[in-house]
Amino acid sequence: GIQVEQSPPDLILQEGANSTLRCNFSDSVNNLQWFHQNPWGQLINLFYIPSGTKQNGRLSATTVATERYSLLYISSSQTTDSGVYFCAVVASGGSYIPTFGRGTSLIVHP
Amino acid sequence: GAVVSQHPSRVICKSGTSVKIECRSLDFQATTMFWYRQFPKQSLMLMATSNEGSKATYEQGVEKDKFLINHASLTLSTLTVTSAHPEDSSFYICSARLIMNTEAFFGQGTRLTVV
Repeated sequence: GIQVEQSPPDLILQEGANSTLRCNFSDSVNNLQWFHQNPWGQLINLFYIPSGTKQNGRLSATTVATERYSLLYISSSQTTDSGVYFCAVVASGGSYIPTFGRGTSLIVHP
Repeated sequence: GAVVSQHPSRVICKSGTSVKIECRSLDFQATTMFWYRQFPKQSLMLMATSNEGSKATYEQGVEKDKFLINHASLTLSTLTVTSAHPEDSSFYICSARLIMNTEAFFGQGTRLTVV
């Protein structure tokens, strides 16, 4: 099956800093989503981005499907950004089941 | 975005009892729902895929007799953990999707503790 690798696995920032999270995938995809799992466990949809670039406030994401990667940018980080960020993909020609990466754990210090 | 409601958010049960977790799509009809399990500091592991009106498809290694999944309507899927044991303690999350290859939305998750 498709492999999804996220980097870095852990990230510690000072409030106000910027960061880039990466998601590499091993095969072509029909669907890619970024999620934020808050400390209570809830998964929040950030972006549905199989290709192209999207922005939502301080967050933006870019997927280059031909090169099999996606980037999530967090600017001016806040303590509420802490949590785990997951990338999930649906492989092309497959069974339409989302496959998750192992996540990036982000801690933002005040 | 669409809303998926999962209930209960937290449950503690005695070993040997059964626990039912509900997953509802509140503002859309979900032909497909997914059930995931997450251990501390790990990623989400797919347990099973359920399609409305048909039997669930379980991932390898998931006991279908222990984790009963019912997707009786387009807005409701249930996961029943039967004869629960402490090793079943985990965080269970459901996801719903309208049609294939569209955005998936997740419930709040259920933290199950078996004592």
